[in-house]
Amino acid sequence: EPEVTQTPSHQVTQMGQEVILRCVPISNHLYFYWYRQILGQKVEFLVSFYNNEISEKSEIFDDQFSVERPDGSNFTLKIRSTKLEDSAMYFCASSRPQNEKLFFGSGTQLSVL
Amino acid sequence: GENVEQHPSTLSVQEGDSAVIKCTYSDSASNYFPWYKQELGKRPQLIIDIRSNVGEKKDQRIAVTLNKTAKHFSLHITETQPEDSAVYFCAATLSYNTDKLIFGTGTRLQVFP
Repeated sequence: EPEVTQTPSHQVTQMGQEVILRCVPISNHLYFYWYRQILGQKVEFLVSFYNNEISEKSEIFDDQFSVERPDGSNFTLKIRSTKLEDSAMYFCASSRPQNEKLFFGSGTQLSVL
Repeated sequence: GENVEQHPSTLSVQEGDSAVIKCTYSDSASNYFPWYKQELGKRPQLIIDIRSNVGEKKDQRIAVTLNKTAKHFSLHITETQPEDSAVYFCAATLSYNTDKLIFGTGTRLQVFP
């Protein structure tokens, strides 16, 4: 069964540093998402991406965040200047048409020190 | 506003008993309601979903019911097994934009042998 894959599984960074989280969505999916989950809390929406542009973003997704689909397979989340409160598990997800089943990747655990 | 409430936050049952988790949503036009199971340190896995034009859906030991009038939906697990132990999240899409899922706060289910 196809899966969403994410790299790295763990990322440790110093506050103020830039990080790039990488995702390979399922190949025939058209909608891509980033969610995050702070330890012990619920999953929170960050951003959705379709047709090479952001279709919606949450208030969490401020100017420090950006997303990109640099080629036909990868989908990345960049945090320009990390803060302590950015520490969380970041999940990439994809879906085929809008409002359909969402498949999550295995996540990147980001720790900002 | 965007809100999905989930109860209980923790649930302990004996193996073989049934477990019920309930969620309420705020947007009456929400039309897609998935349930995710998340084992410790792993990705959320879709276990069952229901659309607003259906009142009930069943898949083996798992069922979901939807009451659109009351704006609540429930997950029912029968004949629980220890491997059902996990955190369960309900979610709902919003009416004005079906790009994102709003997740509930999660229910930690423990099934004791």
